[in-house]
Amino acid sequence: GQQVMQIPQYQHVQEGEDFTTYCNSSTTLSNIQWYKQRPGGHPVFLIQLVKSGEVKKQKRLTFQFGEAKKNSSLHITATQTTDVGTYFCARYNFNKFYFGSGTKLNVKP
Amino acid sequence: NAGVTQTPKFQVLKTGQSMTLQCAQDMNHEYMSWYRQDPGMGLRLIHYSVGAGITDQGEVPNGYNVSRSTTEDFPLRLLSAAPSQTSVYFCASSYLSGRNTEAFFGQGTRLTVV
Repeated sequence: GQQVMQIPQYQHVQEGEDFTTYCNSSTTLSNIQWYKQRPGGHPVFLIQLVKSGEVKKQKRLTFQFGEAKKNSSLHITATQTTDVGTYFCARYNFNKFYFGSGTKLNVKP
Repeated sequence: NAGVTQTPKFQVLKTGQSMTLQCAQDMNHEYMSWYRQDPGMGLRLIHYSVGAGITDQGEVPNGYNVSRSTTEDFPLRLLSAAPSQTSVYFCASSYLSGRNTEAFFGQGTRLTVV
Protein backbone atom coordinates (compact mmCIF):
# COMPACT_ATOMS: atom_id res chain seq x y z
CA GLY A 1 0.00 0.00 0.00
CA GLN A 2 0.97 3.59 0.55
CA GLN A 3 2.58 3.09 3.93
CA VAL A 4 6.23 3.34 4.75
CA MET A 5 7.63 1.14 7.50
CA GLN A 6 10.11 2.63 9.91
CA ILE A 7 12.51 0.89 12.30
CA PRO A 8 13.43 0.87 15.07
CA GLN A 9 10.52 2.26 17.07
CA TYR A 10 12.79 3.40 19.89
CA GLN A 11 16.51 3.97 20.24
CA HIS A 12 18.39 4.89 23.38
CA VAL A 13 22.00 5.99 22.92
CA GLN A 14 24.74 7.50 25.01
CA GLU A 15 25.73 10.99 23.97
CA GLY A 16 28.47 10.71 21.36
CA GLU A 17 27.22 7.43 19.91
CA ASP A 18 25.87 7.19 16.39
CA PHE A 19 22.20 6.62 15.51
CA THR A 20 20.46 5.31 12.41
CA THR A 21 16.79 4.99 11.52
CA TYR A 22 15.50 3.13 8.48
CA CYS A 23 12.47 3.60 6.28
CA ASN A 24 11.24 0.85 3.96
CA SER A 25 8.55 0.58 1.32
CA SER A 26 7.21 -2.40 -0.60
CA THR A 27 6.76 -0.17 -3.66
CA THR A 28 9.07 2.23 -5.45
CA LEU A 29 9.05 5.70 -3.96
CA SER A 30 9.07 8.82 -6.09
CA ASN A 31 10.48 10.74 -3.15
CA ILE A 32 11.17 10.43 0.57
CA GLN A 33 11.14 13.16 3.17
CA TRP A 34 12.42 13.29 6.73
CA TYR A 35 10.94 15.25 9.62
CA LYS A 36 11.98 15.78 13.24
CA GLN A 37 9.57 16.27 16.10
CA ARG A 38 10.95 17.48 19.41
CA PRO A 39 9.14 16.30 22.57
CA GLY A 40 5.90 18.26 22.88
CA GLY A 41 6.48 19.92 19.53
CA HIS A 42 5.36 19.60 15.97
CA PRO A 43 7.07 17.87 13.02
CA VAL A 44 9.61 20.01 11.22
CA PHE A 45 10.86 19.29 7.71
CA LEU A 46 14.50 18.25 7.46
CA ILE A 47 15.08 17.17 3.85
CA GLN A 48 13.67 15.61 0.70
CA LEU A 49 15.38 12.98 -1.47
CA VAL A 50 14.20 12.20 -5.00
CA LYS A 51 17.05 10.54 -6.89
CA SER A 52 18.11 6.91 -6.80
CA GLY A 53 21.20 6.51 -4.58
CA GLU A 54 21.04 10.12 -3.45
CA VAL A 55 23.04 11.10 -0.35
CA LYS A 56 22.62 14.44 1.38
CA LYS A 57 24.32 15.78 4.48
CA GLN A 58 23.29 18.37 7.03
CA LYS A 59 26.13 18.80 9.53
CA ARG A 60 26.07 15.54 11.55
CA LEU A 61 23.02 14.16 9.72
CA THR A 62 23.39 11.98 6.61
CA PHE A 63 20.36 11.02 4.54
CA GLN A 64 20.38 8.26 1.95
CA PHE A 65 17.91 7.10 -0.67
CA GLY A 66 18.34 3.51 -1.82
CA GLU A 67 19.33 2.59 -5.35
CA ALA A 68 15.98 0.86 -5.89
CA LYS A 69 14.13 3.82 -4.30
CA LYS A 70 12.41 1.49 -1.84
CA ASN A 71 14.30 2.45 1.30
CA SER A 72 15.96 5.37 2.98
CA SER A 73 18.01 6.02 6.08
CA LEU A 74 18.91 8.85 8.40
CA HIS A 75 22.23 8.58 10.22
CA ILE A 76 23.34 10.90 13.00
CA THR A 77 27.04 10.94 13.85
CA ALA A 78 28.07 11.59 17.45
CA THR A 79 24.62 12.29 18.88
CA GLN A 80 24.01 15.25 21.15
CA THR A 81 21.21 15.85 23.64
CA THR A 82 19.74 18.32 21.16
CA ASP A 83 19.05 15.40 18.81
CA VAL A 84 16.38 14.02 21.15
CA GLY A 85 13.02 13.63 19.45
CA THR A 86 11.08 11.49 17.03
CA TYR A 87 12.25 11.18 13.44
CA PHE A 88 9.67 10.46 10.75
CA CYS A 89 10.07 9.52 7.14
CA ALA A 90 7.26 10.37 4.75
CA ARG A 91 6.38 9.75 1.14
CA TYR A 92 4.48 12.27 -0.96
CA ASN A 93 2.02 10.91 -3.49
CA PHE A 94 -0.93 12.55 -5.24
CA ASN A 95 -1.22 15.54 -2.92
CA LYS A 96 -0.90 13.45 0.23
CA PHE A 97 1.88 12.73 2.68
CA TYR A 98 2.13 9.24 4.16
CA PHE A 99 4.21 9.12 7.32
CA GLY A 100 6.08 6.26 8.90
CA SER A 101 5.43 5.46 12.55
CA GLY A 102 8.61 7.24 13.59
CA THR A 103 11.75 6.42 15.57
CA LYS A 104 11.93 7.95 19.01
CA LEU A 105 15.52 8.84 19.92
CA ASN A 106 16.62 9.34 23.49
CA VAL A 107 20.16 10.55 24.17
CA LYS A 108 21.65 10.08 27.61
CA PRO A 109 24.17 12.74 28.61
CA ASN B 1 4.66 35.28 8.71
CA ALA B 2 2.94 33.24 11.39
CA GLY B 3 2.99 30.06 9.29
CA VAL B 4 0.30 27.59 10.34
CA THR B 5 -1.78 28.55 13.36
CA GLN B 6 -3.97 26.08 15.22
CA THR B 7 -6.47 26.79 17.97
CA PRO B 8 -7.10 25.73 20.63
CA LYS B 9 -3.89 24.17 21.96
CA PHE B 10 -5.73 22.03 24.50
CA GLN B 11 -9.34 20.87 24.73
CA VAL B 12 -11.34 18.51 26.89
CA LEU B 13 -14.69 17.31 25.55
CA LYS B 14 -17.39 15.09 26.91
CA THR B 15 -18.51 12.13 24.84
CA GLY B 16 -21.10 13.24 22.31
CA GLN B 17 -20.09 16.89 22.23
CA SER B 18 -19.11 18.53 18.97
CA MET B 19 -16.39 21.06 18.33
CA THR B 20 -14.29 22.66 15.61
CA LEU B 21 -10.51 22.76 15.53
CA GLN B 22 -9.32 25.84 13.73
CA CYS B 23 -6.40 25.99 11.30
CA ALA B 24 -5.14 28.99 9.35
CA GLN B 25 -2.07 29.51 7.18
CA ASP B 26 -0.63 32.71 5.77
CA MET B 27 1.77 31.23 3.21
CA ASN B 28 -0.76 31.04 0.35
CA HIS B 29 -0.28 27.28 0.12
CA GLU B 30 -2.73 25.37 -2.02
CA TYR B 31 -2.62 22.17 0.00
CA MET B 32 -3.81 21.71 3.56
CA SER B 33 -4.35 18.59 5.61
CA TRP B 34 -5.27 17.29 9.04
CA TYR B 35 -3.46 14.50 10.88
CA ARG B 36 -3.94 12.76 14.16
CA GLN B 37 -0.98 11.46 16.11
CA ASP B 38 -1.33 8.53 18.48
CA PRO B 39 1.52 6.78 20.33
CA GLY B 40 3.39 4.35 18.09
CA MET B 41 1.22 5.10 15.06
CA GLY B 42 2.89 8.08 13.51
CA LEU B 43 0.78 10.69 11.76
CA ARG B 44 -2.40 9.47 10.12
CA LEU B 45 -4.14 11.57 7.51
CA ILE B 46 -7.75 12.47 8.33
CA HIS B 47 -8.77 14.83 5.50
CA TYR B 48 -6.97 16.96 3.00
CA SER B 49 -7.64 19.77 0.53
CA VAL B 50 -5.96 20.72 -2.72
CA GLY B 51 -7.56 24.15 -2.88
CA ALA B 52 -10.52 26.26 -1.83
CA GLY B 53 -13.74 24.33 -2.29
CA ILE B 54 -12.00 20.96 -2.73
CA THR B 55 -11.63 18.39 0.04
CA ASP B 56 -11.11 14.65 0.18
CA GLN B 57 -10.82 11.86 2.71
CA GLY B 58 -7.58 10.50 4.06
CA GLU B 59 -6.85 7.28 5.93
CA VAL B 60 -9.04 7.83 9.00
CA PRO B 61 -11.91 10.22 8.07
CA ASN B 62 -14.78 8.71 10.09
CA GLY B 63 -16.21 11.05 12.70
CA TYR B 64 -14.65 14.17 11.16
CA ASN B 65 -15.80 16.78 8.65
CA VAL B 66 -13.85 19.49 6.89
CA SER B 67 -14.51 22.41 4.58
CA ARG B 68 -12.25 24.82 2.72
CA SER B 69 -14.05 28.04 1.88
CA THR B 70 -10.84 30.07 1.61
CA THR B 71 -7.20 29.32 0.82
CA GLU B 72 -6.20 30.32 4.34
CA ASP B 73 -8.59 28.33 6.53
CA PHE B 74 -9.20 24.62 6.94
CA PRO B 75 -11.30 23.81 10.04
CA LEU B 76 -11.80 20.27 11.30
CA ARG B 77 -15.16 19.42 12.86
CA LEU B 78 -15.77 16.60 15.29
CA LEU B 79 -19.43 15.73 14.93
CA SER B 80 -20.00 13.67 18.09
CA ALA B 81 -16.81 13.19 20.10
CA ALA B 82 -15.82 9.71 21.22
CA PRO B 83 -13.01 8.60 23.57
CA SER B 84 -11.29 7.00 20.56
CA GLN B 85 -10.78 10.51 19.20
CA THR B 86 -8.51 11.41 22.10
CA SER B 87 -5.33 12.34 20.28
CA VAL B 88 -3.02 15.13 19.21
CA TYR B 89 -4.23 16.81 16.02
CA PHE B 90 -1.94 18.57 13.59
CA CYS B 91 -2.85 20.76 10.70
CA ALA B 92 -0.35 21.16 7.88
CA SER B 93 -0.05 23.20 4.73
CA SER B 94 2.19 22.46 1.80
CA TYR B 95 3.18 23.62 -1.64
CA LEU B 96 4.30 21.79 -4.74
CA SER B 97 7.02 23.27 -6.91
CA GLY B 98 8.21 20.88 -9.56
CA ARG B 99 9.28 17.82 -7.59
CA ASN B 100 9.81 19.80 -4.40
CA THR B 101 7.30 19.85 -1.61
CA GLU B 102 7.36 20.33 2.13
CA ALA B 103 4.75 20.16 4.85
CA PHE B 104 4.54 22.97 7.40
CA PHE B 105 2.82 21.95 10.63
CA GLY B 106 0.89 23.90 13.20
CA GLN B 107 1.65 23.59 16.91
CA GLY B 108 -1.01 20.94 17.42
CA THR B 109 -4.19 20.56 19.46
CA ARG B 110 -4.19 18.07 22.30
CA LEU B 111 -7.73 16.74 22.58
CA THR B 112 -9.07 14.59 25.39
CA VAL B 113 -12.56 13.07 25.18
CA VAL B 114 -13.95 11.81 28.48
